[in-house]
Amino acid sequence: NAGVTQTPKFQVLKTGQSMTLQCAQDMNHEYMSWYRQDPGMGLRLIHYSVGAGITDQGEVPNGYNVSRSTTEDFPLRLLSAAPSQTSVYFCASRRSASFYNSPLHFGNGTRLTVT
Amino acid sequence: AQKITQTQPGMFVQEKEAVTLDCTYDTSDQSYGLFWYKQPSSGEMIFLIYQGSYDEQNATEGRYSLNFQKARKSANLVISASQLGDSAMYFCAMREGPGANSKLTFGKGITLSVRP
Repeated sequence: NAGVTQTPKFQVLKTGQSMTLQCAQDMNHEYMSWYRQDPGMGLRLIHYSVGAGITDQGEVPNGYNVSRSTTEDFPLRLLSAAPSQTSVYFCASRRSASFYNSPLHFGNGTRLTVT
Repeated sequence: AQKITQTQPGMFVQEKEAVTLDCTYDTSDQSYGLFWYKQPSSGEMIFLIYQGSYDEQNATEGRYSLNFQKARKSANLVISASQLGDSAMYFCAMREGPGANSKLTFGKGITLSVRP
């Protein structure tokens, strides 16, 4: 049981480059989301999806795009990387979009450095 | 205004003692859920415990319990019989409302160090 799988684990980009962080879950979860974690800031929501074909913005969406073509996959795209996007990125999913007591299951994170 | 407030910058506890990690929240919703997560130095996020706003009893999961005081809007995590492996960062989080679009908002976290 893999759960939520994120790739890569580490990435270094130069300013202006683009890349895609991959996220896949095998739990048939409806809800998927991306967070970034910065020191002293906790986790902040970037984008989320309540099902295939449906995405919406979170608290800090600027500079990021997402799509949800399947239930399993929820990639995060950095369009033109900036040093301010240096962070640890977490993908997370939960069982049902509607049951508010279902916890988020997290991937192991991607540590991104933009130089 | 912050929705989740965790003001303790760092906590220390002696092994085998109990420790309380504070969390206060702000919401006008009647229906919400409160979660605690643990993040060890290895970086993964581990779900610990959940408390629903309508739950009459405090949640417990093994050595973890949640001291839920609804009127004061606090949801403190109590760890009994601390172990060295409890050294980690702990995050309190809240989900407001049962709707599909409701989101999980995190506090800034508290670092706990367990001394042998």
